[in-house]
Amino acid sequence: QVQLQESGPGLVKPSQTLSLTCTVSGGSISSGGYYWSWIRQHPGKGLEWIGYIYYSGSTYYNPSLKSRVTISVDTSKNQFSLKLSSVTAADTAVYYCARGRGPSSIYWGQGTLVTVSS
Amino acid sequence: QSALTQPASVSGSPGQSITISCTGTSSDVGGYNYVSWYQQHPGKAPKLMIYDVSNRPSGVSNRFSGSKSGNTASLTISGLQAEDEADYYCSSYTSSSAFPYVFGTGTKVTVL
Repeated sequence: QVQLQESGPGLVKPSQTLSLTCTVSGGSISSGGYYWSWIRQHPGKGLEWIGYIYYSGSTYYNPSLKSRVTISVDTSKNQFSLKLSSVTAADTAVYYCARGRGPSSIYWGQGTLVTVSS
Repeated sequence: QSALTQPASVSGSPGQSITISCTGTSSDVGGYNYVSWYQQHPGKAPKLMIYDVSNRPSGVSNRFSGSKSGNTASLTISGLQAEDEADYYCSSYTSSSAFPYVFGTGTKVTVL
């Protein structure tokens, strides 16, 4: 059973960089046919794609966040990471990592709340 | 990137059937058979209920079914149960944006 777990600071100051890591267990991040994604959900709001990465390193970012987002993968640690720069209060959200194929993600992390505040 | 349109809320009594719509365009829902549906309970991660318009992952109750007509996809919940009360989101492949996937606006299902 594939499991994903997000980790990282729960509080980030405005203008700083939000950094999260997703650790994958029960399966290899190098498995072909899947991508590894970050999705966020603002408090009380809907789901928003941030972007995703293939194990090869190819990335796809939501255009609305593209200038501030970097997603990377570390196959040796079976992890992938999210960096979101120049954060503001509008980036306060629950951040999920997930494994996907097409628009379908069957495996999700539990989510981690990141609050942007001084 | 425009979100797919879902009704804000749908309600039904236990045992009834309800249908949630997900309306897009020919560039997303109408053009491809890549529509998924997620269920999300408060404080929990989304759970995949339907993929590729009408396929259920292993372990998902057959009370959940998906379909599509034109630019609108639908999720039907039959024999509504209290545990079905949750938020539901559709998602689709899209060719109209630099990013290939889009979520719906979400629907709150209330079991009366």
